[in-house]
Formats: sequence, structure tokens, C-alpha cells
Amino acid sequence: DGGITQSPKYLFRKEGQNVTLSCEQNLNHDAMYWYRQDPGQGLRLIYYSQIVNDFQKGDIAEGYSVSREKKESFPLTVTSAQKNPTAFYLCASKGQGVAYGYTFGSGTRLTVV
Amino acid sequence: KNQVEQSPQSLIILEGKNCTLQCNYTVSPFSNLRWYKQDTGRGPVSLTIMTFSENTKSNGRYTATLDADTKQSSLHITASQLSDSASYICVVSEQAAGNKLTFGGGTRVLVKP
Repeated sequence: DGGITQSPKYLFRKEGQNVTLSCEQNLNHDAMYWYRQDPGQGLRLIYYSQIVNDFQKGDIAEGYSVSREKKESFPLTVTSAQKNPTAFYLCASKGQGVAYGYTFGSGTRLTVV
Repeated sequence: KNQVEQSPQSLIILEGKNCTLQCNYTVSPFSNLRWYKQDTGRGPVSLTIMTFSENTKSNGRYTATLDADTKQSSLHITASQLSDSASYICVVSEQAAGNKLTFGGGTRVLVKP
């Protein structure tokens, strides 16, 4: 059953800690994306990767880092440099072609404690 | 700056009634427009995707329209059900620019019995 899996569903971070959010897909999609969702706002792009071993910054990359060592995996690290990390994080992947939709994971809610 | 504005921000309707959600955008050059449904705490799920030449597309009780001249889209929900309670997000894609997506802030729909 193809899909995109994010884990964990809920994550708590202490001040000054780095945390890593997992995103795995078995859709054979080349492109993967990380978005941040805050209440009442549209999703904002953090990082994206269109091919293995390559990724680009999105609109709000500061305080975040990613890696793309495998086609299936695109983990996001929220570093201590991200001053306001509490948010809902969504990972997405996309197949080739304009008509292909984006498939989203079920999200990770990160809370700073 | 490319923007996607949705209205209303939220609405409450009675089960069985119809409703229409609006989306205005300034994204240019336009590639396609997508409507997503997002249940609370979950990732968005695609409802429809429309390119420049399409002005209407249906998915069950959901019907999306697109007027590329006025840069407006609407999503009509027919005979609403309790399960339609969710946020509905309008997303517009740019031509080239990596098909960059611009997300609207969403309309939160609550269907009451």
C-alpha cells in the first residue's frame, strides 16, 4: 500500500535541543518537501529536494536542516537556532509531471516545552 | 508577491445544505490550481486539480470551478455531510520555478446535524 509516513505524530522538544522528524515514502517519487503549518496561515515551504543528494532552501529554511541520502527518505532536523519551532510539520512528495498531485503525510506536531 | 486568499475564513452549515468556498489568487505565471481537504491533525488530501484550460471539475459531491481570467476559483460542496467538517485549502502552482506552490490559509467548515 503506497504512501508517505511521518513519525512521530507528536514530539516535544526542550529549549536548546535539536530534534529530527522522519519522512518516508514508497511511492517512488523523486521530489519531496517539508512544510510548516501555523494556525490560520497557509503552509510555508521549509526545504525541498527534487533528486537524491540534492536539496534547496524554501521560504523559511533558517533554523532547519535536511538530508536526502535515499530516494525514500527526507528527514528534517529542527535545530536550536529555530526560535519558534512549535508548529505542525507536513512532509509531501510528488511524482513527475504537472498533473501529478502532491501526496502529504499525516504530519508531526512539534511542541517546545 | 504571489498570494492566495480564501474566504470565508470559517463557516458553519447544517447537514444536507450546500456551501461554496472562494479562492482568489495573484500567482503568475499560472500553472494549475488544486483544492485539498485537511482533517484536524492530518495531512491534506487532494480533491481536485485544474489547469488553465479547465473551468470545472467534480469529485463526488465536490465541484471546483476556475476562472483564469479573473483569477478566481470556488469549491462547492453539495448535500453536506458531517464528515465534510474540515479545512479546505486552495493551492496555486507557478509555471516553472520548480512548480512552486502558494497555499491559501484555508476555510474551516463545520457541518452540524
